[in-house]
Amino acid sequence: EIVMTQSPATLSVSPGESATLSCRASQSVSNNLAWYQQKPGQAPRLLIHGASTRATGVPARFSGSGSGTEFTLTISSLQSEDFAIYYCQQYYNWPPWTFGQGTKVEIK
Amino acid sequence: QLQLQESGPGLVKPSETLSLTCTVSGGSFSSYYWTWVRQPPGVGLEWIGHVFYSGSTNYNPALKGRVTISVDTSKNQFSLRLRAVTAADTALYYCARARGSGGNYFDFWGQGILVSVSS
Repeated sequence: EIVMTQSPATLSVSPGESATLSCRASQSVSNNLAWYQQKPGQAPRLLIHGASTRATGVPARFSGSGSGTEFTLTISSLQSEDFAIYYCQQYYNWPPWTFGQGTKVEIK
Repeated sequence: QLQLQESGPGLVKPSETLSLTCTVSGGSFSSYYWTWVRQPPGVGLEWIGHVFYSGSTNYNPALKGRVTISVDTSKNQFSLRLRAVTAADTALYYCARARGSGGNYFDFWGQGILVSVSS
């Protein structure tokens, strides 16, 4: 099973600033990586797939990069609605598909 | 707009079987994988398994053969059965549509249903 490790666990950011979230895979997943956003009381929302392709309707301030074992989600100019928990998920080697433990982006 | 809705009991006794159904509306049911994901309270996400619309399935080995996912294309529904539950199976259970050639990532989700395992 591929283990996904996200860092940091919590990121404190001021509105308008940028946030950089990291996700590391225990072995290469090529570019088979997705990012999700989850707000309290809501289901996860797909943001990125293929490591860097934004899902339909996702604002351009969300960008994904990386391949192999190191991945980054960057949120530029954070808006109030962006404060949430973010999860990465690999879909290279299965079963099972595996998620990271999440990074909480909170208001500084 | 595609919508998914989970249904089923919110309380299951230990050692019994958890049964949930996901009803899909507002879009095509065919040619997709349909997935169950769960989230224990305050914890991250765990992929349970998926079913292709044709009926083929794949499951998380960590569930040790306790899980069955089935599909009813006539009703645009798919179902989860998890046998011999324990308190560790208490979680918010989500159904989702999976995209990609192997049901890889999840673009539409239900709102989730909380299932507690307790006597």
